[in-house]
Amino acid sequence: AQSVTQLDSQVPVFEEAPVELRCNYSSSVSVYLFWYVQYPNQGLQLLLKYLSGSTLVKGINGFEAEFNKSQTSFHLRKPSVHISDTAEYFCAVSDPFESGNTPLVFGKGTRLSVIA
Amino acid sequence: DTGVSQDPRHKITKRGQNVTFRCDPISEHNRLYWYRQTLGQGPEFLTYFQNEAQLEKSRLLSDRFSAERPKGSFSTLEIQRTEQGDSAMYLCASSPGGGGWKTQYFGPGTRLLVL
Repeated sequence: AQSVTQLDSQVPVFEEAPVELRCNYSSSVSVYLFWYVQYPNQGLQLLLKYLSGSTLVKGINGFEAEFNKSQTSFHLRKPSVHISDTAEYFCAVSDPFESGNTPLVFGKGTRLSVIA
Repeated sequence: DTGVSQDPRHKITKRGQNVTFRCDPISEHNRLYWYRQTLGQGPEFLTYFQNEAQLEKSRLLSDRFSAERPKGSFSTLEIQRTEQGDSAMYLCASSPGGGGWKTQYFGPGTRLLVL
């Protein structure tokens, strides 16, 4: 079964500074990878996804992530954060070679706090 | 599309009571998922429907939990004889059929507190 490790539970960063949120997944032949954002008391909003093709994927709100198969990583980056980016970020993996009904497996999340 | 909706958004109940949550997926999404999220954790899969058929259940789904999707549209999740350990956010997600099945879209969740 797949597993996801988000290496940092909390990341404080000053406004307009760059940020990287780290995500590693357990090895598999092929995976689909996702980043979701959760604002307080809300559901999850899809930021970006890697299904196939280019390893650098761009998402909403200026975020991007790079799929690195050799390092089994899918780190999320933003060159300049805003106060409004303060939220919980979840990395998730889906293994497309199981039954076809495979749910997402999530990491424990990284709380990004942007400081003015 | 109006997105995935869930009702109620919050529920407070006493231990031993039954509760039922509703999820309305995005129109024409034939796949529907339920997840549970406890404080400080990522969501964990509970169960999955394709149309009206419940095709997969997690071992987290004890016999006190039951889910239905009778007409392949909205779904309900019922918890019988609630326990304090059931306190969590219950999230519903849907995805379309065909090639779009890979991406799940989440609702706002129902936050349950069992006293």
